[in-house]
Amino acid sequence: DQQVKQNSPSLSVQEGRISILNCDYTNSMFDYFLWYKKYPAEGPTFLISISSIKDKNEDGRFTVFLNKSAKHLSLHIVPSQPGDSAVYFCAARTGGSSNTGKLIFGQGTTLQVKP
Amino acid sequence: EAQVTQNPRYLITVTGKKLTVTCSQNMNHEYMSWYRQDPGLGLRQIYYSMNVEVTDKGDVPEGYKVSRKEKRNFPLILESPSPNQTSLYFCASSPMSASYNEQFFGPGTRLTVL
Repeated sequence: DQQVKQNSPSLSVQEGRISILNCDYTNSMFDYFLWYKKYPAEGPTFLISISSIKDKNEDGRFTVFLNKSAKHLSLHIVPSQPGDSAVYFCAARTGGSSNTGKLIFGQGTTLQVKP
Repeated sequence: EAQVTQNPRYLITVTGKKLTVTCSQNMNHEYMSWYRQDPGLGLRQIYYSMNVEVTDKGDVPEGYKVSRKEKRNFPLILESPSPNQTSLYFCASSPMSASYNEQFFGPGTRLTVL
């Protein structure tokens, strides 16, 4: 059972435009959500996160939105740059007393930003 | 430089031949974890460790063993590898905190079991 889903395997956008990557989850016990970025032949690197008590977190060109009622989060990249081309993983964590540090990852979305 | 290192980066082996993938971090992190990445499945946790001598199963532990004798090292052991363990493996570490937010990943080990 995939608790975190990224239903779009790939996304292609033009340089300078907005990239929107989506993620859905099923477990209402998730209290923290993260986005990781992965280039070929490298490990994932942390990009941005959001606590379940917030609905938006912004860091430069990257903004993550959380809609708890819909169990949906999205990552917005504005403006998109060719260097943003990578695989983006959404991840979720169960916190509180059951926090084991385990991250549940989505399948990933490959973003291509065309010059 | 703060980093997580894995060795080897690439490995081709045969069914049943025991192997170990090493993982080492130089950030004094308490928490370490192993993931495997497979197409269409994202990353799935194999084992994790919250500190020295403390390890526990993740979502897909079958066929794997780990040990945590030192804080910096967390080797992944495949006692009798099988073809379904062909995958891309990542080791990760993070400080022991309430959030575990930012896990630092190694560069990955691509394993092929024939």
